[in-house]
Amino acid sequence: GIQVEQSPPDLILQEGANSTLRCNFSDSVNNLQWFHQNPWGQLINLFYIPSGTKQNGRLSATTVATERYSLLYISSSQTTDSGVYFCAVERETGGFKTIFGAGTRLFVKA
Amino acid sequence: EAGVVQSPRYKIIEKKQPVAFWCNPISGHNTLYWYLQNLGQGPELLIRYENEEAVDDSQLPKDRFSAERLKGVDSTLKIQPAELGDSAVYLCASSKGTSTEGTDTQYFGPGTRLTVL
Repeated sequence: GIQVEQSPPDLILQEGANSTLRCNFSDSVNNLQWFHQNPWGQLINLFYIPSGTKQNGRLSATTVATERYSLLYISSSQTTDSGVYFCAVERETGGFKTIFGAGTRLFVKA
Repeated sequence: EAGVVQSPRYKIIEKKQPVAFWCNPISGHNTLYWYLQNLGQGPELLIRYENEEAVDDSQLPKDRFSAERLKGVDSTLKIQPAELGDSAVYLCASSKGTSTEGTDTQYFGPGTRLTVL
């Protein structure tokens, strides 16, 4: 089946710093989403981005489907950005299946 | 607009007992998902419904797990009998579109944390 790899696995930032999270996938996909799981466990959708670039405030994402990767940019990080960031891809293989990566654990220090 | 609702939020049971989780998706959302999330890992899809039809249940351990989505709205996931290894968070998500119309953003509920003793 399709493999989804996220890097780095762990990241510690000083408040105000910028960061880039990466998601690689091993085969073509129908769509890709980025989620943030806060310390209380709630998964929050950040971007639905099968291709192209989107921006929402301090966050932006780019997916290059032909090269099978997506990037999530966090600028001017805040302590509330802490948590786990997941990339999830959806692929139609005898039915649509959503596959999550293992996540990037981010801690932002005040 | 209300989000995805799940209950209970926490459940502690002894092994071999049955347990059920309930999910009410966002109003108007036709696709409903059940996921299992183990500590430190990403969610794993158990079953996907489009309206009342289970279109992908290949990851559902059918010997002990069952699910239903009567009338294509809310859904129940059941485990009988529960095993120690079933301890995890069970997440429900919904999205508006179906595979025919084009899938879109998934919205997640808060999850049910199951502990099997």
